[in-house]
Amino acid sequence: KAGVTQTPRYLIKTRGQQVTLSCSPISGHRSVSWYQQTPGQGLQFLFEYFSETQRNKGNFPGRFSGRQFSNSRSEMNVSTLELGDSALYLCASSLDSGSVTDTQYFGPGTRLTVL
Amino acid sequence: KNEVEQSPQNLTAQEGEFITINCSYSVGISALHWLQQHPGGGIVSLFMLSSGKKKHGRLIATINIQEKHSSLHITASHPRDSAVYICAVLSNTGNQFYFGTGTSLTVIP
Repeated sequence: KAGVTQTPRYLIKTRGQQVTLSCSPISGHRSVSWYQQTPGQGLQFLFEYFSETQRNKGNFPGRFSGRQFSNSRSEMNVSTLELGDSALYLCASSLDSGSVTDTQYFGPGTRLTVL
Repeated sequence: KNEVEQSPQNLTAQEGEFITINCSYSVGISALHWLQQHPGGGIVSLFMLSSGKKKHGRLIATINIQEKHSSLHITASHPRDSAVYICAVLSNTGNQFYFGTGTSLTVIP
């Protein structure tokens, strides 16, 4: 099975722009979670999608949003980019058999640089 | 205060040594994950624990729910074990993930 894929892998934007990142989960996985990783804050949970619905959300401003499509692919969007949004954005998928303790499989990440 | 604390922050070991990384958390949890991140960013989920102990090859993870503490042990460490190890907990209220700041492990041949 192919792993979790994320596109693009690298992205450079300027302040005030918006960006859309894409994540394709492992085939058959229904849950997709997004994380932000920065040197200062470490890994932080953004949100989780299941069956096209946001099921859980971390403590991020409304500029960060996401969605999930019927094929479980997910996108996250950041509007009005700020310098502090520069980070590695990771997505992870899981089977979601009904247990909250399913193993998560991580993608390689998208490295976003905001200038 | 961080919901998840890891120690040590950095660790250097000689090849073959037994290694322990500790994780303490302050919230009620549904599960605890140990993650491994190699240079370049790729993250691998090593273990998911909700009780007891799990073993996979040279890796052993334990959790004590009453004490809110987990340990990751690496036996017969090898240079390829060099990575950042991150403890993550899934809270049982709000299904929120909290992460430790990671332990950077370097194993010297």
